[in-house]
Amino acid sequence: EAQVTQNPRYLITVTGKKLTVTCSQNMNHEYMSWYRQDPGLGLRQIYYSMNVEVTDKGDVPEGYKVSRKEKRNFPLILESPSPNQTSLYFCASSFITFGNTEAFFGQGTRLTVV
Amino acid sequence: DAKTTQPTSMDCAEGRAANLPCNHSTISGNEYVYWYRQIHSQGPQYIIHGLKNNETNEMASLIITEDRKSSTLILPHATLRDTAVYYCILRGGSSNTGKLIFGQGTTLQVKP
Repeated sequence: EAQVTQNPRYLITVTGKKLTVTCSQNMNHEYMSWYRQDPGLGLRQIYYSMNVEVTDKGDVPEGYKVSRKEKRNFPLILESPSPNQTSLYFCASSFITFGNTEAFFGQGTRLTVV
Repeated sequence: DAKTTQPTSMDCAEGRAANLPCNHSTISGNEYVYWYRQIHSQGPQYIIHGLKNNETNEMASLIITEDRKSSTLILPHATLRDTAVYYCILRGGSSNTGKLIFGQGTTLQVKP
């Protein structure tokens, strides 16, 4: 089954404790991206990757890092989480022909930073 | 900024067709119109997309006006499970970073 898998689904952590949210897709997609969703602000793109070893900032990259060492994985790293990073996070992937290709989303990771 | 405009909310009776409009007056020639929905706080789910012709799949129909400045998503027989936020999004085009720009969407409430 074609899917994007995020882990963990729920996470509560303390300020400053490094964490990684994993994202994996099984569709051989070149393109992967991370979004965060906050009430009243909608979904905003954090980082994206066009292919292995190619990453770039989205609209709200501050406080986040990503890596793309393999095509299927695109982890989101919070080196020193702060309470303003409490949010619902989604990973998405698609082929790189953006016009005529749907993006698939993971089920989300709800992160709380206390 | 979202390049599409949608009503904030709509109601629909169960079993009736739900028609969700979207305006995208600045759409460029190679941008596709996509529809996604988000049920509660789940990941956005792809519904349908099109360029200029009308499209239909097992979930919905998409009607795009001839000038491509607006479109309508039709859920032919809405059920309670179709209650969700529906997003109309443009993708493709010259910017080509692949970003999906989610506006506020339309909250569709299907009522018994």
